[in-house]
Amino acid sequence: DGGITQSPKYLFRKEGQNVTLSCEQNLNHDAMYWYRQDPGQGLRLIYYSQIVNDFQKGDIAEGYSVSREKKESFPLTVTSAQKNPTAFYLCASSMGSGVTSTDTQYFGPGTRLTVL
Amino acid sequence: QKEVEQDPGPLSVPEGAIVSLNCTYSNSAFQYFMWYRQYSRKGPELLMYTYSSGNKEDGRFTAQVDKSSKYISLFIRDSQPSDSATYLCAMSAVRLGRGSTLGRLYFGRGTQLTVWP
Repeated sequence: DGGITQSPKYLFRKEGQNVTLSCEQNLNHDAMYWYRQDPGQGLRLIYYSQIVNDFQKGDIAEGYSVSREKKESFPLTVTSAQKNPTAFYLCASSMGSGVTSTDTQYFGPGTRLTVL
Repeated sequence: QKEVEQDPGPLSVPEGAIVSLNCTYSNSAFQYFMWYRQYSRKGPELLMYTYSSGNKEDGRFTAQVDKSSKYISLFIRDSQPSDSATYLCAMSAVRLGRGSTLGRLYFGRGTQLTVWP
C-alpha cells in the first residue's frame, strides 16, 4: 500500500519549544517537499529536497529546519524561532528522477500544529 | 504580483450545475499544469494534469490550458455534493535540471466550492 504518511495528525506545542513533524513515503520518489497552509493563503513552500543529503530553502524557510538522511524520510523541525507556527503542514513527494518526471507532487494527509 | 492568481471564492452552486474554476499566471515558462482537490482537513489529491496548451477530459472533469492568455480552467459537469472541496491550481516550468526549477510547483490560493443538493 504505497503512499505518504505524516505524523502526528494533530500536534500541540508550547511557545519556545521545538517540535519535529514526521514525513515518510514508500513511493520510491527522489524529491520531497514541505508546505505550510494557512486559511485563504494557499500552499507556501518551506523546504524541498531533490536527493538524499541535499535540500534547498523554499519561500518561507526561516524558523524551520529539515534533514534528508534517507530517501523515504524528510522530517521537518519547527523551531522556537518561527514567529507564527500555528498552521496546517503538508508533506509531498515527486519522482524527480530527471528522466520522465512531470513534477507531479503527491501529498500526505497533513499535520495540524497549534501553538498554545 | 503573485506567480499564480486564483479567485478564492467561495463558490456555491446547486447540484447538477456546470462549475468553472480558473487561474491566471504571469510566468510564460510554465509548461505543466495541474488541478488538485482538497477536502477539509485533508491533504490535496491530484485531480487533473495537462502539459502545454489544450484540453484534457476525465469523466465529469475537463481541464483547459490557454498559454497565449496565460489562463487555465477546470470545468466540472453535473456537479455533485461530493465535489464540495477546495480546488487548487498548480503549475511548473520546463525542467531545467537540478538546482533550478526542478520539482518546484507554484500554487494558486485555492477556490472553495460548495455544491448543495
